[in-house]
Amino acid sequence: GAGVSQSPSNKVTEKGKDVELRCDPISGHTALYWYRQSLGQGLEFLIYFQGNSAPDKSGLPSDRFSAERTGGSVSTLTIQRTQQEDSAVYLCASSLTLAGSPLYNEQFFGPGTRLTVL
Amino acid sequence: AQTVTQSQPEMSVQEAETVTLSCTYDTSESDYYLFWYKQPPSRQMILVIRQEAYKQQNATENRFSVNFQKAAKSFSLKISDSQLGDAAMYFCAYRKSYGGSQGNLIFGKGTKLSVKP
Repeated sequence: GAGVSQSPSNKVTEKGKDVELRCDPISGHTALYWYRQSLGQGLEFLIYFQGNSAPDKSGLPSDRFSAERTGGSVSTLTIQRTQQEDSAVYLCASSLTLAGSPLYNEQFFGPGTRLTVL
Repeated sequence: AQTVTQSQPEMSVQEAETVTLSCTYDTSESDYYLFWYKQPPSRQMILVIRQEAYKQQNATENRFSVNFQKAAKSFSLKISDSQLGDAAMYFCAYRKSYGGSQGNLIFGKGTKLSVKP
């Protein structure tokens, strides 16, 4: 079956503009994660969705970052008023989460969106 | 807070030889999961191997094996018979065990592995 897809693959924007990054998880995967990969900070967790709700937003770096998930499927990460330090690769991952089972379910990653803020 | 440390920013190995990538972590939890991910230039993160902390036996997947030392909080990856396709960034990652919504991975900074023909 299809894996996790992300769009766009690359995005170049000007400082101060808003951007939207999209993630299509594997069909049936209830959990969805956003991570950011930057040269200075490595891989950082941003936000976690279980279904359409986000019980953990602790990794969002500022209130300029927001995310939503609709229909338990597609997720959009929005960055408002982009800054140069937002330049990074944004990775999305999805996994099955079986109630009552250990949370070791494998996270399947998408190819990421490379965001460049000029 | 849990942390993961990879002390080798870069490693190099000759094709067909064996290489070991190091990883240490810090946690107060007794039950958790550890992973090694591979990231080639395509950016796609690929799970290489997984270890459950409650299991004493080291995980193996074909040419990949781990040396899991729970007391020392060490989790190294051994790649045997290295192949050119093994060249990539390798990330060690930690994940809490069952409980709550904290299923996110905590990653080390990565080790860039080069394979020489």
